[in-house]
Amino acid sequence: AQSVAQPEDQVNVAEGNPLTVKCTYSVSGNPYLFWYVQYPNRGLQFLLKYITGDNLVKGSYGFEAEFNKSQTSFHLKKPSALVSDSALYFCAVRVLSGYALNFGKGTSLLVTP
Amino acid sequence: DTAVSQTPKYLVTQMGNDKSIKCEQNLGHDTMYWYKQDSKKFLKIMFSYNNKELIINETVPNRFSPKSPDKAHLNLHINSLELGDSAVYFCASSGIGEQFFGPGTRLTVL
Repeated sequence: AQSVAQPEDQVNVAEGNPLTVKCTYSVSGNPYLFWYVQYPNRGLQFLLKYITGDNLVKGSYGFEAEFNKSQTSFHLKKPSALVSDSALYFCAVRVLSGYALNFGKGTSLLVTP
Repeated sequence: DTAVSQTPKYLVTQMGNDKSIKCEQNLGHDTMYWYKQDSKKFLKIMFSYNNKELIINETVPNRFSPKSPDKAHLNLHINSLELGDSAVYFCASSGIGEQFFGPGTRLTVL
């Protein structure tokens, strides 16, 4: 089955520092990978996706992610964190049948001033 | 204009009751979904549906049933509610790309 893993429950970063939120995947065939962000008491907002093409994917709000086939990873990155980036981040992979997503457990990002 | 909307935002009910959550999308997408987010924030697909096919996650109890009156709507009906059904339910829609999520419905079963 298509699955992703987020090894960190929480990531703490000082404002202005680079941030990385980790995601690894386990799939059959080519992966369709996504990152979403959830602010408190809100729905999920799409950040970026990897379908095919360049391994470095740029998304919303200055986020980017690097697809690494050899390491089966799709880590989310941002060069300079903002306090407003504090939220819950989900990595997801599309299932084989249909277009539904299997999500990781989520990583809580806390950016401190 | 809200892309994916859900009603109600909050739903508090007694065990054993039957309830429905409505979802509408104005994006012209062919596929809609229901996800459940539990108290630990785990997100799990319940159903995906387009006008041709309903795919049901095998772990979903048959007390849950999606109903689609048309392509823009996918409602979730729940029979005989149980305490363990308390969660946030998200509707989403997509074409072949990313999914767009509604704001969620927080269901509390007492």
